[in-house]
Amino acid sequence: TQLLEQSPQFLSIQEGENLTVYCNSSSVFSSLQWYRQEPGEGPVLLVTVVTGGEVKKLKRLTFQFGDARKDSSLHITAAQPGDTGLYLCAEIANAGGTSYGKLTFGQGTILTVHP
Amino acid sequence: DAGVTQSPTHLIKTRGQQVTLRCSPKSGHDTVSWYQQALGQGPQFIFQYYEEEERQRGNFPDRFSGHQFPNYSSELNVNALLLGDSALYLCASSLGARADTQYFGPGTRLTVL
Repeated sequence: TQLLEQSPQFLSIQEGENLTVYCNSSSVFSSLQWYRQEPGEGPVLLVTVVTGGEVKKLKRLTFQFGDARKDSSLHITAAQPGDTGLYLCAEIANAGGTSYGKLTFGQGTILTVHP
Repeated sequence: DAGVTQSPTHLIKTRGQQVTLRCSPKSGHDTVSWYQQALGQGPQFIFQYYEEEERQRGNFPDRFSGHQFPNYSSELNVNALLLGDSALYLCASSLGARADTQYFGPGTRLTVL
């Protein structure tokens, strides 16, 4: 079973600061997704990365997939209080090139952005 | 267009009891996956239903069972509840066999006393 490690576990910053959270694995990811979860809600998909070295941007969020597809990072520029939440990375189980939609999640990074 | 809905929102049970949680998928979706999320942890995959059959299962005991109905809605049943079953139970819906873009419901918070 793929184990995903996220770091840091907790992050508390002031509005306007930049931050990076990481997701690592001991083996190669087939494809990786990042989610954000707010209290009382389910996770919401932010991005899917598939190709090694891939970089995707979503407004102030930048997602990178490592060249070897064993790590990924999420960078937030000029964080805002609305960015507060639990950030989760997840791998989609892939058997023989077909995704069966079984997500394996990391333990998450709890981000708090203070006004 | 309604998203994924789950009921009930909160539930309190005692050890040994049985519970049934319900999920209605996003309109047009035919695949439902269930996850358990303990406090401070990421969700863990329980099982997935497609075409009314359990297609794959995570590392959960047989006390956890499910069902998918012809309208694609789904139920999660847990028998002989343990204190450790206290968690947020999330349902996610998706379209087709690949199921690689999943939409999560708000979850059911189960507390076992």
